[in-house]
Amino acid sequence: GESVGLHLPTLSVQEGDNSIINCAYSNSASDYFIWYKQESGKGPQFIIDIRSNMDKRQGQRVTVLLNKTVKHLSLQIAATQPGDSAVYFCAEKIYNFNKFYFGSGTKLNVKP
Amino acid sequence: EADIYQTPRYLVIGTGKKITLECSQTMGHDKMYWYQQDPGMELHLIHYSYGVNSTEKGDLSSESTVSRIRTEHFPLTLESARPSHTSQYLCASSPPAGYTEAFFGQGTRLTVV
Repeated sequence: GESVGLHLPTLSVQEGDNSIINCAYSNSASDYFIWYKQESGKGPQFIIDIRSNMDKRQGQRVTVLLNKTVKHLSLQIAATQPGDSAVYFCAEKIYNFNKFYFGSGTKLNVKP
Repeated sequence: EADIYQTPRYLVIGTGKKITLECSQTMGHDKMYWYQQDPGMELHLIHYSYGVNSTEKGDLSSESTVSRIRTEHFPLTLESARPSHTSQYLCASSPPAGYTEAFFGQGTRLTVV
């Protein structure tokens, strides 16, 4: 299968600070890169995606950056809140295959 | 809130038992998936379906089987449970190919003793 991996297993940040979660991928053929958030006891939830022909996409308090040169994806969360505490997964999707490939998660701990 | 449901949420069962994990969605999605996830680890695709009577094995080999007789229903069956099957099983569905969002159920945490 495809390889989508995360650099750090755990990230602790102070409430109000910005968080950056990183992800490395290996498949240059992916059409979309997606971030999911998984809270304890729940299934993953979609946060934001970015198409492979884009470098940056912004959402509400979140920004995703894509660096195709080094096959690197990051999720930036502004003004991190306690409710942001969760495990974050990056995933990639190849349009024609319509399957999602997930990497190992990064646990984000937000300290009050 | 996504309309995709899994039952049971938790299941403890003895070795050798046959079990079926249920997954239903009311969004009319053609595509459905089963992922296996160990705590804090990545999701591994074990089965997927592109529609009624369509089932395919995923990238992670699994002894489970699936069926898709109705659009809304995608059950997963283990004929003979073993301790190595202990894991969390997540069901998901997604809209047509142009969409990037997959909707997940809350998962079934299976423990085989």
